Amino acid sequence: AQKVTQAQTEISVVEKEDVTLDCVYETRDTTYYLFWYKQPPSGELVFLIRRNSFDEQNEISGRYSWNFQKSTSSFNFTITASQVVDSAVYFCALSEVNTGNQFYFGTGTSLTVIP
Amino acid sequence: NAGVTQTPKFRILKIGQSMTLQCAQDMNHNYMYWYRQDPGMGLKLIYYSVGAGITDKGEVPNGYNVSRSTTEDFPLRLELAAPSQTSVYFCASRTTASRYEQYFGPGTRLTVT
Repeated sequence: AQKVTQAQTEISVVEKEDVTLDCVYETRDTTYYLFWYKQPPSGELVFLIRRNSFDEQNEISGRYSWNFQKSTSSFNFTITASQVVDSAVYFCALSEVNTGNQFYFGTGTSLTVIP
Repeated sequence: NAGVTQTPKFRILKIGQSMTLQCAQDMNHNYMYWYRQDPGMGLKLIYYSVGAGITDKGEVPNGYNVSRSTTEDFPLRLELAAPSQTSVYFCASRTTASRYEQYFGPGTRLTVT
């Protein structure tokens, strides 16, 4: 079973639109960590954010914001006023404390921002 | 502090050839990982290591081998390369605590023809 599901394979938005990338996870652990990574066209993987399972406060960093809801096992990522430079593949990942050796990645959402 | 380095950046192999993808980190991280990313797909874990001398299989280990003789290095060996192993290979490392993110290398693009 897929531990991290990113149902949106590809999204296209026009520049300056807001866009939300969905991430749903599955775990039996009470302590776990969630991450978002960005993979621009150049190919490297860039860490964006980490959240732990005990902190459901939403976080905002510039145009980026994250909505963590344990009740729905979701950790969604919103980009406000999207820009062309936001075009990339975005990955959500899960790390469980009890099986802390592995990270589980979703299949990624490819975002294209059209100028 | 170079982070995670991978060599080579690109490689073309013929079917049946073997090669080793190199990965090194200078952050004294215990955990190291090898992933493959097929075109348009997510990351799949090949092998991982929790410390020198300890390795374990991930989701897609067949056709690969690893070793971890030092904390810094985690080479991935491909034996008898097959076209199905055409992919981008990423090495990553992190500290022991689960709460910390993985740091990724720049990737190695491998084509098997």
